[in-house]
Amino acid sequence: NAGVTQTPKFQVLKTGQSMTLQCAQDMNHNSMYWYRQDPGMGLRLIYYSASEGTTDKGEVPNGYNVSRLNKREFSLRLESAAPSQTSVYFCASSGSGGRRSSYEQYFGPGTRLTVT
Amino acid sequence: QKEVEQDPGPLSVPEGAIVSLNCTYSNSAFQYFMWYRQYSRKGPELLMYTYSSGNKEDGRFTAQVDKSSKYISLFIRDSQPSDSATYLCAMRATPSGGSYIPTFGRGTSLIVHP
Repeated sequence: NAGVTQTPKFQVLKTGQSMTLQCAQDMNHNSMYWYRQDPGMGLRLIYYSASEGTTDKGEVPNGYNVSRLNKREFSLRLESAAPSQTSVYFCASSGSGGRRSSYEQYFGPGTRLTVT
Repeated sequence: QKEVEQDPGPLSVPEGAIVSLNCTYSNSAFQYFMWYRQYSRKGPELLMYTYSSGNKEDGRFTAQVDKSSKYISLFIRDSQPSDSATYLCAMRATPSGGSYIPTFGRGTSLIVHP
């Protein structure tokens, strides 16, 4: 039971390049999230997916797109990377409440992205 | 003013000390309160969560919620160097009362020195 996994762990991009960050969870969670974490700013929600087939914007969605590929996988794409997107990116997942699950989030190990 | 306020620290204490970490909030719809621990270069790890007011104890950790003051605390007894990490508070409403997505504090850096 790996929990939440993310690939890659590290990435360096040049301005204007594109890339996709991958996330997968094996906890049968319905909801998945992408955050970025910057010094002094805390965790900021980029996009989330309440259930398979749905995605919604969070606090800082500009410059990003997401795909909920299936129940397990949720990817984050940077179409044209900018230095302001240098950050640590975390994927998280949670249940959807009710008797058998809760909304509490479980995080992956993160992807450290540098855009030069 | 952010919905959740948390002093970034760093908070430096000697081994064995009792540590108190705190957050204040402004949204009265928050009903669930969580503490996450984040080691350097790792993802946040859920440490404790409580519902509504009161105390919850788990080993050396005690989470306390005072909804009347909109103030939550995490106490660590007999602190160890391995407790050195950033502690993030998080809180959320119920789906019927607002969003189930948590709002995070910015985290407090704790250093426990031997």
